[in-house]
Amino acid sequence: EVQLVESGGGLVQPGGSLRLSCAASGFTFSSYSMSWVRQAPGKGLEWVSTISDSGGSTYYADSVRGRFTISRDNSKNTLYLQMNSLRAEDTAVFYCAKRQTPNYGPFDYWGQGTLVTVSS
Amino acid sequence: EIVLTQSPGTLSLSPGERATLSCRASQSVSSSYLGWYQQKPGQAPRLLIYGASSRATGIPDRFSGSGSGTDFTLTISRLEPEDFAVYYCQQYGRSFTFGPGTKVDIK
Repeated sequence: EVQLVESGGGLVQPGGSLRLSCAASGFTFSSYSMSWVRQAPGKGLEWVSTISDSGGSTYYADSVRGRFTISRDNSKNTLYLQMNSLRAEDTAVFYCAKRQTPNYGPFDYWGQGTLVTVSS
Repeated sequence: EIVLTQSPGTLSLSPGERATLSCRASQSVSSSYLGWYQQKPGQAPRLLIYGASSRATGIPDRFSGSGSGTDFTLTISRLEPEDFAVYYCQQYGRSFTFGPGTKVDIK
């Protein structure tokens, strides 16, 4: 059974940093690109970032480029999102998601999400 | 960037009725790389439809998708109580974008 479990969310002050983790199991993690998607309270879904299966290619939404860094450790089956220079508008539930096929397709599995609150 | 627009914003229907949700793209979505998700309060989204018209694993056949190019539709043939939720379309052909969602609530 595919499982994605996020952790690392919490309350952080504006300008601060946080690192999210997503522990994956039940599939060959190293074969799939992985993504982060966020959802601000009461709002819709926003794609944040994607990393290729090897980690060699990364992609970012304009709203986070230069502030967030996606990475992965295939030996630990874990996806990361390093978030720096956080702003109030980054407050959201962050989901990690697996693509349906290794390097294309929609997101067929999602974690339960971890809440990031940016506030003083 | 491909922008997705969904209509209506809210759809008020009764159980047993048919629901028709629309998703329009600002540019043609390549190879029908269009998906639909269902999200209930406090839960992660669930993939319903991919490739514009293929049902994901375990999705009941009352859910169907259609369309190509810039116009796509999700149809729920007969609403069950568990179908009242928010539905999002997503294009994954050129990066990723989501539509703003359609809420299907009980009339």
